[in-house]
Amino acid sequence: DIQVTQSPPSLSASLGDTVTITCQTSQNINKYIAWYQQKPGEAPRLLIRYTSTLESGTPSRFSGSGSGRDYSFSINNVESDDIARYYCLQYVNLPTFGGGTKLELK
Amino acid sequence: QVQLKESGPGLVQPSQTLSLTCTVSGLSLTNTSVSWIRQPPGKGLEWMGLIWSNGVTDYNSTIKSRLSISRDTSKSQVFLKMNSLQTEDTAMYFCARSWVPDYWGQGVMVTVSS
Repeated sequence: DIQVTQSPPSLSASLGDTVTITCQTSQNINKYIAWYQQKPGEAPRLLIRYTSTLESGTPSRFSGSGSGRDYSFSINNVESDDIARYYCLQYVNLPTFGGGTKLELK
Repeated sequence: QVQLKESGPGLVQPSQTLSLTCTVSGLSLTNTSVSWIRQPPGKGLEWMGLIWSNGVTDYNSTIKSRLSISRDTSKSQVFLKMNSLQTEDTAMYFCARSWVPDYWGQGVMVTVSS
């Protein structure tokens, strides 16, 4: 099974900051990674698939990049509505989630 | 519109079998796959398995021996059964559309306790 290491586990940002979350996989996943946002009491929301393809309705301040085993997810100009936990998901074969990153306001 | 809704018992005794149902609308199970994902309280997401549009299943290797996913296409329902439940199986259980889950149900909380 492919392991996914997501970092950092938590992140503190001010409104307007740019933040970046990374995921490293145990083997090459050929860009088959997605990113989710989860707010308390809600189901996760798919934001990005295939490394950098934004889902319909995902604001353009969200972006993704990477290749091979290393991937990143960024939020430019953090807004209060972005406070949530974020997860990556590799899906080159049996899906595996990263451990999650909690984004808090500084 | 696509909707998924999980249902099942909120409380299960240790060593017993969990049975959950995911009822879908706005999609056909013969055209799409459905995944199950769970989340222990305060913890991260765990992909459990899925059933493909052709009825083939794939499971997380760590729970494969305890898990079974099936469906009834005529009723637009997908079923999860997991046996030998322990307290660490206490979690919110979600069903979601597709291999890359895009539409999710609201989840159902399952507590394993005597």
